[in-house]
Amino acid sequence: DTEVTQTPKHLVMGMTNKKSLKCEQHMGHRAMYWYKQKAKKPPELMFVYSYEKLSINESVPSRFSPECPNSSLLNLHLHALQPEDSALYLCASSRSVSGPANYGYTFGSGTRLTVV
Amino acid sequence: KNQVEQSPQSLIILEGKNCTLQCNYTVSPFSNLRWYKQDTGRGPVSLTIMTFSENTKSNGRYTATLDADTKQSSLHITASQLSDSASYICVVSAVNSGNTPLVFGKGTRLSVIA
Repeated sequence: DTEVTQTPKHLVMGMTNKKSLKCEQHMGHRAMYWYKQKAKKPPELMFVYSYEKLSINESVPSRFSPECPNSSLLNLHLHALQPEDSALYLCASSRSVSGPANYGYTFGSGTRLTVV
Repeated sequence: KNQVEQSPQSLIILEGKNCTLQCNYTVSPFSNLRWYKQDTGRGPVSLTIMTFSENTKSNGRYTATLDADTKQSSLHITASQLSDSASYICVVSAVNSGNTPLVFGKGTRLSVIA
């Protein structure tokens, strides 16, 4: 298995809703990432987990809450989002956070989130 | 400041033609450079990855080159197909860059038309 699987592929939610995005990999990677990507822009790093511990939070608002229940799973809990939070949310994983090349940095297919 | 610049911003070519996309970077110390293909609304898919010592790497009709001295890379697409229409993103990684290992370019939007 060489994939990062994200669910759901599409999500529409209201500003008062609570929802979660899920990400799963079975490559034995110990680093997992959440990115946010707006249309025609490069991905922006949100969170980094290394060995199931949050190591980077790029000043992301608290309405986004990450969780790493185990080494294969990464969740992003969403609450009280704003319409400007609508974007493609990408999960990625790699063997470790730092090191030489070919550490298998792999992106998931993304969740297209629309906040109404 | 670590930066990755790509050109052109967008490109339209006829099906069957070749094209070359450019990437210049200032990331230091350099670890590796990756080219990704991203279809609209989908996650990036890796095409090639090159380290300091590699000058060229191919993946089917995609050939990437790297000049670590001038800090330039190119992605050459041969005999383009309609399915090549996508954004192509150059991503550079620095050595010992801690928890933020990747610096993204803004991408080149390629449109292949019949």
